[in-house]
Amino acid sequence: AQSVTQLDSHVSVSEGTPVLLRCNYSSSYSPSLFWYVQHPNKGLQLLLKYTSAATLVKGINGFEAEFKKSETSFHLTKPSAHMSDAAEYFCVVSDNFGNEKLTFGTGTRLTIIP
Amino acid sequence: DGGITQSPKYLFRKEGQNVTLSCEQNLNHDAMYWYRQDPGQGLRLIYYSQIVNDFQKGDIAEGYSVSREKKESFPLTVTSAQKNPTAFYLCASRDSGRNEKLFFGSGTQLSVL
Repeated sequence: AQSVTQLDSHVSVSEGTPVLLRCNYSSSYSPSLFWYVQHPNKGLQLLLKYTSAATLVKGINGFEAEFKKSETSFHLTKPSAHMSDAAEYFCVVSDNFGNEKLTFGTGTRLTIIP
Repeated sequence: DGGITQSPKYLFRKEGQNVTLSCEQNLNHDAMYWYRQDPGQGLRLIYYSQIVNDFQKGDIAEGYSVSREKKESFPLTVTSAQKNPTAFYLCASRDSGRNEKLFFGSGTQLSVL
């Protein structure tokens, strides 16, 4: 069975400071992992995905995430927050064992303080 | 342009009534999904389908039903057995295989009268 836990429901950071959004997963097999972003009143957009190649994955808008199998984590980071990063972020897992099931986390709302 | 179309945008259900949400895609994707989004609960998977004439229950399938008679279409019926149907419903699709991204529709807001 697959599951994903986003450890913080709400994160606030000041503009120009680093962002860390935490995600832990559970999967019986070799998972695929994704981060999606949802801006207010907008659709969901893929930020980045882990494809079992490089463990450090770079995405759009300066975000990156590191797959750590020993810690079952896939935390999302950005060196310097921008006001436009304010949104809800979702971590997603698929265990890839012969099915297309995708499980979303409960989301982390990121607030940027001017 | 290719994409996913959900209709209607807003839907109202009377008590005891079944309602059907439409989802159509022209992306030639094999896999399609229905999610329910509630504040603070993220997106919860209702049903998904990997191929025509086949579908699987997600994590919260009770009170819902689906069909997949055509590749392009994956309608969701919210039955009277679903006691708390008020939510935002999102349909998505993607190419089969690992690591393909999801394409989302614009959603349907269902409310109970």
